[in-house]
Amino acid sequence: SQTIHQWPATLVQPVGSPLSLECTVEGTSNPNLYWYRQAAGRGLQLLFYSVGIGQISSEVPQNLSASRPQDRQFILSSKKLLLSDSSFYLCAWSATKQTSTDTQYFGPGTRLTVL
Amino acid sequence: GDSVTQMEGPVTLSEEAFLTINCTYTATGYPSLFWYVQYPGEGLQLLLKATKADDKGSNKGFEATYRKETTSFHLEKGSVQVSDSAVYFCALGETSGSRLTFGEGTQLTVNP
Repeated sequence: SQTIHQWPATLVQPVGSPLSLECTVEGTSNPNLYWYRQAAGRGLQLLFYSVGIGQISSEVPQNLSASRPQDRQFILSSKKLLLSDSSFYLCAWSATKQTSTDTQYFGPGTRLTVL
Repeated sequence: GDSVTQMEGPVTLSEEAFLTINCTYTATGYPSLFWYVQYPGEGLQLLLKATKADDKGSNKGFEATYRKETTSFHLEKGSVQVSDSAVYFCALGETSGSRLTFGEGTQLTVNP
């Protein structure tokens, strides 16, 4: 069966520090991968998605970036965190389908607090 | 573009009450429709889905029917439990792509 991991689960970072959040998927090949952000009491905002190694689509311009160095690894990064980056970050995967959007499966999330 | 409108919350019910959370959508083509649930501090879990008009998705006593004529996918449960307290998200899947569009979420609290 497929599983998705995210770490760390919680993170407290000072303003201006770098960020690296990691997401890995097991039990499937060539998944679509997604990074979302969820502010407190709000819906989900899609940040990046990837349909293959090295292929990243950015939905919202900001000081975050994403990379996919391996088929089942997706990394969210920042060079300098802002206070407004404090949020709950979710990674998700879906199977690759040609004709319609498949179910997305979410990781447990990372709670980031920037002080 | 595609959009999803969900019933605003929060919703507070007593145990064993009937639940309806409204969801309507705007989309071109024939999207897939989903309901996800998020328990406090956790990621989202798929609750149910429907991929074509008149399909009914069901799981754990929850149901939703894909109504193309009213562009709706309302979530229902006949008798809620305290353990159903969570945030519920309606989502729409692109007909020719890989992305989901989410509603804003509805907070449900069930009191004993």
